[in-house]
Amino acid sequence: KQEVTQIPAALSVPEGENLVLNCSFTDSAIYNLQWFRQDPGKGLTSLLLIQSSQREQTSGRLNASLDKSSGRSTLYIAASQPGDSATYLCAPRDYTGNQFYFGTGTSLTVIP
Amino acid sequence: DTEVTQTPKHLVMGMTNKKSLKCEQHMGHRAMYWYKQKAKKPPELMFVYSYEKLSINESVPSRFSPECPNSSLLNLHLHALQPEDSALYLCASSSPGQGNTEAFFGQGTRLTVV
Repeated sequence: KQEVTQIPAALSVPEGENLVLNCSFTDSAIYNLQWFRQDPGKGLTSLLLIQSSQREQTSGRLNASLDKSSGRSTLYIAASQPGDSATYLCAPRDYTGNQFYFGTGTSLTVIP
Repeated sequence: DTEVTQTPKHLVMGMTNKKSLKCEQHMGHRAMYWYKQKAKKPPELMFVYSYEKLSINESVPSRFSPECPNSSLLNLHLHALQPEDSALYLCASSSPGQGNTEAFFGQGTRLTVV
């Protein structure tokens, strides 16, 4: 079964900083990887989907990279804002495309 | 429209009650999922339906019974639950298999078992 780890578990930064969230997974035979954010007590919001054949995917201030062979993905957030405060979760999808498992999450706090 | 709608938003039930959670999407997705999330933990996969057929059951106790009556609806029937089943239950949908499999989640049902 896929094991997904995210580092750091928690992060607190002042507004305006650029930051990197890390995701590692044990089974590199993935179809794609999706990043989500979750506000407390709420559902998950999709941020980026990066296919296994891609190296990077960008959306606004967010940039996700994927190194499938080494089992790693990073989410880069530029010029962080207080509204970015949330838990960020990565979810690699298995090679059949039928299921995905979540990482342990990074809780981000951006201080005004 | 990328909306997945879950009802109810909150549910309190006794251990002898029977209740159901409902999930609906109109994106034409043929894969639907139930996840369970405890506080400060990531979501845990429970069930996957692909083309209205149960394809994955992650060894979930039989007191949880999923149902997919059509391609837009997913239900989770609850019976004789335990207090430790209290959690946020999340529904998701995506296209199954290959292609664009971006998943979308509902806002969840907060379940409390008393």
